[in-house]
Amino acid sequence: DVKVTQSSRYLVKRTGEKVFLECVQDMDHENMFWYRQDPGLGLRLIYFSYDVKMKEKGDIPEGYSVSREKKERFSLILESASTNQTSMYLCASTLDGLYEQYFGPGTRLTVT
Amino acid sequence: AQKVTQAQTEISVVEKEDVTLDCVYETRDTTYYLFWYKQPPSGELVFLIRRNSFDEQNEISGRYSWNFQKSTSSFNFTITASQVVDSAVYFCALVFYGGSQGNLIFGKGTKLSVKP
Repeated sequence: DVKVTQSSRYLVKRTGEKVFLECVQDMDHENMFWYRQDPGLGLRLIYFSYDVKMKEKGDIPEGYSVSREKKERFSLILESASTNQTSMYLCASTLDGLYEQYFGPGTRLTVT
Repeated sequence: AQKVTQAQTEISVVEKEDVTLDCVYETRDTTYYLFWYKQPPSGELVFLIRRNSFDEQNEISGRYSWNFQKSTSSFNFTITASQVVDSAVYFCALVFYGGSQGNLIFGKGTKLSVKP
Protein backbone atom coordinates (compact mmCIF):
# COMPACT_ATOMS: atom_id res chain seq x y z
CA ASP A 1 0.00 0.00 0.00
CA VAL A 2 1.13 3.50 -0.78
CA LYS A 3 1.83 5.50 2.31
CA VAL A 4 1.97 9.28 2.39
CA THR A 5 2.68 10.78 5.77
CA GLN A 6 2.62 14.38 6.93
CA SER A 7 4.59 15.63 9.90
CA SER A 8 1.68 17.02 11.90
CA ARG A 9 -2.10 16.61 11.97
CA TYR A 10 -2.63 19.91 13.78
CA LEU A 11 -0.38 22.93 14.02
CA VAL A 12 -0.84 26.33 15.60
CA LYS A 13 1.55 29.11 14.66
CA ARG A 14 1.78 32.85 15.19
CA THR A 15 1.67 35.49 12.48
CA GLY A 16 5.11 36.08 11.03
CA GLU A 17 6.55 32.70 11.99
CA LYS A 18 8.30 30.53 9.43
CA VAL A 19 6.40 27.26 9.10
CA PHE A 20 7.58 23.96 7.67
CA LEU A 21 5.17 21.24 6.61
CA GLU A 22 6.78 17.93 5.76
CA CYS A 23 5.50 15.19 3.53
CA VAL A 24 7.05 11.77 2.97
CA GLN A 25 5.99 9.02 0.58
CA ASP A 26 7.30 5.49 0.53
CA MET A 27 6.49 4.35 -3.02
CA ASP A 28 9.28 5.95 -5.03
CA HIS A 29 6.81 8.28 -6.74
CA GLU A 30 8.16 10.87 -9.13
CA ASN A 31 5.49 13.52 -8.63
CA MET A 32 4.50 15.19 -5.41
CA PHE A 33 1.95 17.91 -4.73
CA TRP A 34 0.84 20.36 -2.09
CA TYR A 35 -2.77 21.50 -1.92
CA ARG A 36 -4.75 23.60 0.44
CA GLN A 37 -8.39 22.94 1.13
CA ASP A 38 -10.83 25.60 2.27
CA PRO A 39 -14.60 25.46 2.71
CA GLY A 40 -16.40 26.45 -0.47
CA LEU A 41 -13.17 26.64 -2.47
CA GLY A 42 -12.32 22.96 -2.72
CA LEU A 43 -8.74 21.85 -3.25
CA ARG A 44 -6.30 24.28 -4.76
CA LEU A 45 -2.82 23.40 -5.94
CA ILE A 46 0.01 25.36 -4.34
CA TYR A 47 3.13 23.74 -5.76
CA PHE A 48 4.18 20.47 -7.29
CA SER A 49 7.41 18.68 -8.05
CA TYR A 50 8.09 16.09 -10.75
CA ASP A 51 11.64 15.30 -9.75
CA VAL A 52 14.21 15.98 -7.08
CA LYS A 53 15.09 19.67 -6.93
CA MET A 54 12.42 20.43 -9.52
CA LYS A 55 9.36 22.46 -8.64
CA GLU A 56 6.57 24.24 -10.40
CA LYS A 57 4.01 26.73 -9.23
CA GLY A 58 0.42 25.70 -8.98
CA ASP A 59 -2.60 27.95 -8.85
CA ILE A 60 -1.87 29.76 -5.59
CA PRO A 61 1.89 29.82 -4.89
CA GLU A 62 2.04 33.29 -3.32
CA GLY A 63 3.35 33.23 0.22
CA TYR A 64 4.68 29.68 -0.10
CA SER A 65 7.85 27.96 -1.21
CA VAL A 66 8.82 24.31 -1.45
CA SER A 67 11.85 22.09 -1.20
CA ARG A 68 12.52 18.65 -2.60
CA GLU A 69 16.03 17.50 -1.77
CA LYS A 70 15.16 13.80 -1.75
CA LYS A 71 12.72 11.91 -3.89
CA GLU A 72 10.58 10.76 -1.00
CA ARG A 73 10.27 14.10 0.79
CA PHE A 74 8.50 17.29 -0.25
CA SER A 75 8.38 20.24 2.12
CA LEU A 76 6.06 23.21 2.06
CA ILE A 77 7.39 26.41 3.62
CA LEU A 78 5.40 29.41 4.75
CA GLU A 79 8.06 32.09 4.86
CA SER A 80 6.06 34.42 7.10
CA ALA A 81 2.76 32.91 8.17
CA SER A 82 -0.33 35.04 7.91
CA THR A 83 -3.87 34.47 9.19
CA ASN A 84 -5.17 33.94 5.66
CA GLN A 85 -2.98 30.86 5.46
CA THR A 86 -5.07 29.14 8.10
CA SER A 87 -6.24 26.08 6.23
CA MET A 88 -6.05 22.32 5.73
CA TYR A 89 -2.91 21.37 3.83
CA LEU A 90 -2.83 18.13 1.88
CA CYS A 91 0.17 16.45 0.35
CA ALA A 92 -0.12 13.90 -2.46
CA SER A 93 2.12 11.79 -4.64
CA THR A 94 1.79 9.81 -7.85
CA LEU A 95 4.00 7.62 -9.98
CA ASP A 96 2.92 9.31 -13.19
CA GLY A 97 0.93 12.42 -13.90
CA LEU A 98 -1.94 10.50 -15.46
CA TYR A 99 -2.37 8.10 -12.58
CA GLU A 100 -4.23 8.53 -9.33
CA GLN A 101 -2.69 10.64 -6.62
CA TYR A 102 -2.34 9.28 -3.12
CA PHE A 103 -2.96 11.69 -0.32
CA GLY A 104 -1.61 12.13 3.16
CA PRO A 105 -3.87 12.65 6.19
CA GLY A 106 -3.58 16.43 6.03
CA THR A 107 -2.27 19.13 8.37
CA ARG A 108 -4.76 21.56 9.82
CA LEU A 109 -2.79 24.76 10.29
CA THR A 110 -4.07 27.64 12.36
CA VAL A 111 -2.23 30.95 12.24
CA THR A 112 -3.13 33.34 15.06
CA ALA B 1 -10.81 25.54 -20.31
CA GLN B 2 -10.70 22.48 -18.13
CA LYS B 3 -13.33 22.35 -15.45
CA VAL B 4 -15.16 19.93 -13.19
CA THR B 5 -18.58 20.78 -11.82
CA GLN B 6 -20.31 19.02 -8.96
CA ALA B 7 -23.59 20.82 -8.77
CA GLN B 8 -24.79 19.10 -5.62
CA THR B 9 -23.18 20.77 -2.64
CA GLU B 10 -24.84 18.60 -0.02
CA ILE B 11 -27.04 15.52 -0.11
CA SER B 12 -28.77 13.87 2.81
CA VAL B 13 -30.28 10.39 2.61
CA VAL B 14 -31.51 7.74 4.98
CA GLU B 15 -29.61 4.50 5.26
CA LYS B 16 -30.39 1.93 2.55
CA GLU B 17 -31.41 4.57 0.04
CA ASP B 18 -29.60 4.71 -3.28
CA VAL B 19 -27.87 7.99 -4.05
CA THR B 20 -26.21 9.39 -7.19
CA LEU B 21 -23.52 12.03 -7.12
CA ASP B 22 -23.25 14.05 -10.29
CA CYS B 23 -20.06 15.13 -12.03
CA VAL B 24 -19.86 17.12 -15.25
CA TYR B 25 -16.54 18.01 -16.82
CA GLU B 26 -15.22 20.26 -19.54
CA THR B 27 -12.09 19.64 -21.57
CA ARG B 28 -10.98 20.15 -25.15
CA ASP B 29 -8.61 17.22 -24.97
CA THR B 30 -9.51 13.83 -26.37
CA THR B 31 -7.28 11.97 -23.93
CA TYR B 32 -8.07 12.49 -20.30
CA TYR B 33 -8.71 10.63 -17.08
CA LEU B 34 -11.46 11.00 -14.55
CA PHE B 35 -11.32 10.14 -10.88
CA TRP B 36 -13.48 9.93 -7.83
CA TYR B 37 -12.14 10.44 -4.31
CA LYS B 38 -13.78 10.07 -0.92
CA GLN B 39 -12.89 12.31 2.02
CA PRO B 40 -14.30 10.96 5.27
CA PRO B 41 -14.44 13.14 8.40
CA SER B 42 -10.88 12.06 9.28
CA GLY B 43 -9.72 14.22 6.36
CA GLU B 44 -7.64 11.92 4.18
CA LEU B 45 -8.69 11.70 0.53
CA VAL B 46 -9.15 8.11 -0.54
CA PHE B 47 -8.89 7.15 -4.19
CA LEU B 48 -11.95 5.28 -5.50
CA ILE B 49 -11.70 4.98 -9.27
CA ARG B 50 -9.81 6.11 -12.36
CA ARG B 51 -11.35 5.99 -15.82
CA ASN B 52 -9.78 6.95 -19.13
CA SER B 53 -11.61 8.82 -21.86
CA PHE B 54 -11.59 5.89 -24.26
CA ASP B 55 -13.32 3.48 -21.93
CA GLU B 56 -17.02 4.23 -21.57
CA GLN B 57 -17.91 0.98 -19.90
CA ASN B 58 -19.72 1.39 -16.65
CA GLU B 59 -17.97 0.04 -13.61
CA ILE B 60 -19.33 -1.65 -10.53
CA SER B 61 -17.47 -2.33 -7.33
CA GLY B 62 -19.66 -3.73 -4.60
CA ARG B 63 -22.24 -1.08 -3.72
CA TYR B 64 -20.46 1.53 -5.83
CA SER B 65 -21.04 2.06 -9.53
CA TRP B 66 -19.91 4.67 -12.03
CA ASN B 67 -21.60 5.81 -15.20
CA PHE B 68 -19.34 7.52 -17.75
CA GLN B 69 -21.05 9.22 -20.68
CA LYS B 70 -18.87 11.19 -23.07
CA SER B 71 -21.91 12.46 -24.95
CA THR B 72 -22.97 14.45 -21.89
CA SER B 73 -19.47 14.87 -20.39
CA SER B 74 -20.60 13.25 -17.21
CA PHE B 75 -19.07 10.75 -14.81
CA ASN B 76 -21.69 10.04 -12.18
CA PHE B 77 -21.24 7.95 -9.06
CA THR B 78 -24.00 5.86 -7.50
CA ILE B 79 -23.99 4.28 -4.07
CA THR B 80 -26.55 1.52 -3.72
CA ALA B 81 -28.08 0.77 -0.32
CA SER B 82 -26.17 3.58 1.37
CA GLN B 83 -24.67 3.10 4.81
CA VAL B 84 -23.70 5.52 7.55
CA VAL B 85 -20.02 4.83 6.77
CA ASP B 86 -20.57 6.34 3.32
CA SER B 87 -20.95 9.77 4.93
CA ALA B 88 -18.12 11.84 3.48
CA VAL B 89 -17.27 14.51 0.97
CA TYR B 90 -16.86 13.08 -2.51
CA PHE B 91 -14.70 14.74 -5.14
CA CYS B 92 -14.66 14.21 -8.86
CA ALA B 93 -11.44 15.15 -10.65
CA LEU B 94 -9.97 15.37 -14.14
CA VAL B 95 -6.46 15.18 -15.54
CA PHE B 96 -5.78 15.64 -19.22
CA TYR B 97 -2.94 14.44 -21.37
CA GLY B 98 -0.73 17.40 -22.05
CA GLY B 99 -1.64 19.04 -18.81
CA SER B 100 1.17 20.16 -16.62
CA GLN B 101 2.58 17.00 -15.06
CA GLY B 102 -0.79 15.57 -14.21
CA ASN B 103 -2.37 18.34 -12.26
CA LEU B 104 -5.71 17.15 -11.04
CA ILE B 105 -8.59 19.52 -11.57
CA PHE B 106 -11.06 18.97 -8.77
CA GLY B 107 -14.71 19.72 -8.46
CA LYS B 108 -15.82 21.50 -5.30
CA GLY B 109 -17.08 18.27 -3.78
CA THR B 110 -20.44 16.90 -2.66
CA LYS B 111 -21.03 16.32 1.03
CA LEU B 112 -23.05 13.16 1.56
CA SER B 113 -24.76 12.55 4.89
CA VAL B 114 -26.29 9.15 5.46
CA LYS B 115 -28.57 9.04 8.47
CA PRO B 116 -29.47 5.85 10.30
